[in-house]
Amino acid sequence: AQSVTQPDIHITVSEGASLELRCNYSYGATPYLFWYVQSPGQGLQLLLKYFSGDTLVQGIKGFEAEFKRSQSSFNLRKPSVHWSDAAEYFCAVGGKDAGNMLTFGGGTRLMVKP
Amino acid sequence: GAGVSQSPSNKVTEKGKDVELRCDPISGHTALYWYRQSLGQGLEFLIYFQGNSAPDKSGLPSDRFSAERTGGSVSTLTIQRTQQEDSAVYLCASSLDGTSLYEQYFGPGTRLTVT
Repeated sequence: AQSVTQPDIHITVSEGASLELRCNYSYGATPYLFWYVQSPGQGLQLLLKYFSGDTLVQGIKGFEAEFKRSQSSFNLRKPSVHWSDAAEYFCAVGGKDAGNMLTFGGGTRLMVKP
Repeated sequence: GAGVSQSPSNKVTEKGKDVELRCDPISGHTALYWYRQSLGQGLEFLIYFQGNSAPDKSGLPSDRFSAERTGGSVSTLTIQRTQQEDSAVYLCASSLDGTSLYEQYFGPGTRLTVT
């Protein structure tokens, strides 16, 4: 069965600083990987996704993520964080062998200091 | 266009009562998913509908939970004899097709509190 681990439950960064959120997955075949963001009281919004090809994917709001098969990781990065980025971030894995459900990590709550 | 909508946004119910949660997917989306988001459990898959096929119920936690999708559009998640551990945010998502290649669009959720 597939699984996703987000090791950091909470992260605090200063506005303007760089950000990296970690995601490790377990999946027996080629994974499809996703990052979602959830602002307070809001639903989940897709930031970016990886299916195949270039392992560095660009998303919305200036985010990017890099798929590293050898490390089973799909870390999310942003070079300069804005106060509006404060939210909870979820990594998820799916795939042809996973039926049609996404398996989510536990989430990382990002706080941004002024 | 309109996104996924869910109603009610909040529901408080007494233990032992039945509740119905509604989801209106994006028009034209054939796949519909229910997830549960609770403290300490993260986001859990509950059930998946694809067109007129039999739903994938593999994530339903007990037989108190059921869901239906009428006319391939609106879906209702029913929880019978609610328990306090059912308190959570119930999220609905839809996608153009039921493969992982297509983005799942999420609704704002229904926050269920069982007292």
